[in-house]
Order: sequence, then structure tokens, then C-alpha cells
Amino acid sequence: DVKVTQSSRYLVKRTGEKVFLECVQDMDHENMFWYRQDPGLGLRLIYFSYDVKMKEKGDIPEGYSVSREKKERFSLILESASTNQTSMYLCASSTDRHFMTSRSSYEQYFGPGTRLTVT
Amino acid sequence: AQSVTQLGSHVSVSEGALVLLRCNYSSSVPPYLFWYVQYPNQGLQLLLKYTSAATLVKGINGFEAEFKKSETSFHLTKPSAHMSDAAEYFCAVSVGNLIFGKGTKLSVKP
Repeated sequence: DVKVTQSSRYLVKRTGEKVFLECVQDMDHENMFWYRQDPGLGLRLIYFSYDVKMKEKGDIPEGYSVSREKKERFSLILESASTNQTSMYLCASSTDRHFMTSRSSYEQYFGPGTRLTVT
Repeated sequence: AQSVTQLGSHVSVSEGALVLLRCNYSSSVPPYLFWYVQYPNQGLQLLLKYTSAATLVKGINGFEAEFKKSETSFHLTKPSAHMSDAAEYFCAVSVGNLIFGKGTKLSVKP
């Protein structure tokens, strides 16, 4: 059974703290993604990675960075958390070596999400 | 630019009634389209996908969707709603990455 796990289901942090969200997949997938989900806005892509140490900005990268040192692990970093980063964060992975150059028919597999509250 | 529009942020049906969740897409190339479901406090899981084979696509849990190029639509249906179908449903188009609609929350009344 395929699996994407996220380090925390719920997280509460203070404004200005550095926050790490961890994601691990056991499917040997090339691609990994970080989304944030807000009511009425759907899922918005923050960053993605198509290989170890490779990363690309998504639609809303401001205030975030990522790290992918190993194929199975993709970390999202909030350098200085702010209240407007309170959200649900979803990690996903997929296997498709060509997805950056053409549309992909491969599904993305999602983790359970981390609900982050910044106070 | 590719985009997805889901009509209706909330849909409520009675148990046993038809479920119809609407999705319209905009794409400059033949699209690949997906429906995902999110149950409360869970991540998303794939219901079904269209990748230019059959226009009527069957998915899990009795759901299906029909690709209609002339209407640029990919509506999701289920003949008879069950209480366990209460969830949020997302339509998405693939441009390499996935572009998601804003979601439709389905409520099922007993």
C-alpha cells in the first residue's frame, strides 16, 4: 500500500518561529509537492521537487523554502512564521519523469495533512 | 492558461438521491482531468481520471464522470448518495502540475 506520511497532524507555533514540516514517501517517487489548503481557495502549490536537491517554485512560494536531501523526504520550511501562514499543509508525491515538459496522467498521492496554527 | 471551475461550493442531497458535482475546464491542449475526494481530517485520494481514452470514466465508490469536449465539462455523478459520500470533492486539470478547483463540499442528509 502506497504511503505518504507527514510528521505532525497538528502544530501550533508562535509568530517569528522557524517551522519545519516533514514529508516522507515510500514509493520511490521522483516528484514531491507541497500545497496549502484554505477554505474557498482549494489547493495552491507552494513548491515542488522533481529530483533530489532540485526544487521549483509553485504559485505561492513567498515566505517558504524547501529542502530535498534524500529522494523519499521533502521538507517545507517557514523561516519566520506569520499568522497568515495558518493553514492546512498537504504533501504529495508522484512518479512521472516528464511531467515538467508535458501534462501528466499520473496521479498524485497525498499525505494526511498538517494543520498549522500560528499565534 | 489552463484552469478549472467548480460550480457550487456546497451541495446537499438526500441519501439515495443523485449526486451531481460540476466541473468546467479551460485548456489550450487536450486535457487530462482528475477528480479527488477528501474525507474529513484526511488527505486527498483519487476518485477517477480522464486521459483521453473513453469519455465516460468509472471510478471508485460508484462514482463516474463524463468528458464533454463541446461543453468543456467533466461533471462527477453517482446515482444514489450514501452517508459515507459526505466529503469535499476537487476537480483538477494536469498541465504537468495539477491545477485544482476550489472544491465542492457534499453533504448527505438522512
